[in-house]
Amino acid sequence: AQSVSQHNHHVILSEAASLELGCNYSYGGTVNLFWYVQYPGQHLQLLLKYFSGDPLVKGIKGFEAEFIKSKFSFNLRKPSVQWSDTAEYFCAVKANAGNMLTFGGGTRLMVKP
Amino acid sequence: DTGVSQDPRHKITKRGQNVTFRCDPISEHNRLYWYRQTLGQGPEFLTYFQNEAQLEKSRLLSDRFSAERPKGSFSTLEIQRTEQGDSAMYLCASSSRLVTYEQYFGPGTRLTVT
Repeated sequence: AQSVSQHNHHVILSEAASLELGCNYSYGGTVNLFWYVQYPGQHLQLLLKYFSGDPLVKGIKGFEAEFIKSKFSFNLRKPSVQWSDTAEYFCAVKANAGNMLTFGGGTRLMVKP
Repeated sequence: DTGVSQDPRHKITKRGQNVTFRCDPISEHNRLYWYRQTLGQGPEFLTYFQNEAQLEKSRLLSDRFSAERPKGSFSTLEIQRTEQGDSAMYLCASSSRLVTYEQYFGPGTRLTVT
C-alpha cells in the first residue's frame, strides 16, 4: 500500500517569497503523482500532475513540481507567491495500475499581503 | 456548471439515524470515486465505480456503508446507524475513460453526527 507524507502542516509567507512544499511517498512500483489545491470555501482542484518523462512538471498559476525518484519526493515550488495562493495544498499518489488516490495530510499556506 | 455536484452540501443527523448522499459526476465520466476527509487530514479513499460496477472498496468502508451507481451515472452513498465517528466531509470525484487518472472533485457533503 502506498502512503504520502507532507512534512509542513502550516506555512506562512509574505507576498513575493518563494515557496517549496515537501512531499514524500512510499510505494515500490510505478506511480503517478499529483498536487491538488483547495482554496477557502472551494473544492479540490488539480494543480499539476506527473506521469512520465521530464521530472519537472509545470502546472497552473506558476506552480511547478519536481519528481526525484531516488528520494521518493515530489516537491511543489513557486518562485514568488501571491496573497491569492492562500489555500491548502495536498500531495497525492496513485499506483500506475491502480485507481485510488492516496493523499498526504495537507499543508495549509497563508500568504500575508 | 458541468462539474461534479453533490447533494446535500450539509447534513446534521442524530446518532443511529441513516443518511444518504448523492453524487452526480461530470457528464460522460464513467469512473466515480468516493472519499472521506476528516478535519486536518487529507481525503481517504472509500470506493470506486467503473460504470455501474463497484470495483474497489477500502477497509474504511464498514458494513454500515453502502454505495451504489445503478445506471452508471449518479451514485449514492448510504450510512446506516450513524456514529459520531462518521462525522466528516464526504467527497465524490469522477474521471473519464480517456483520461482516467485525472479525478475531478465535487464540493463535498459535510456530515455532522450529534
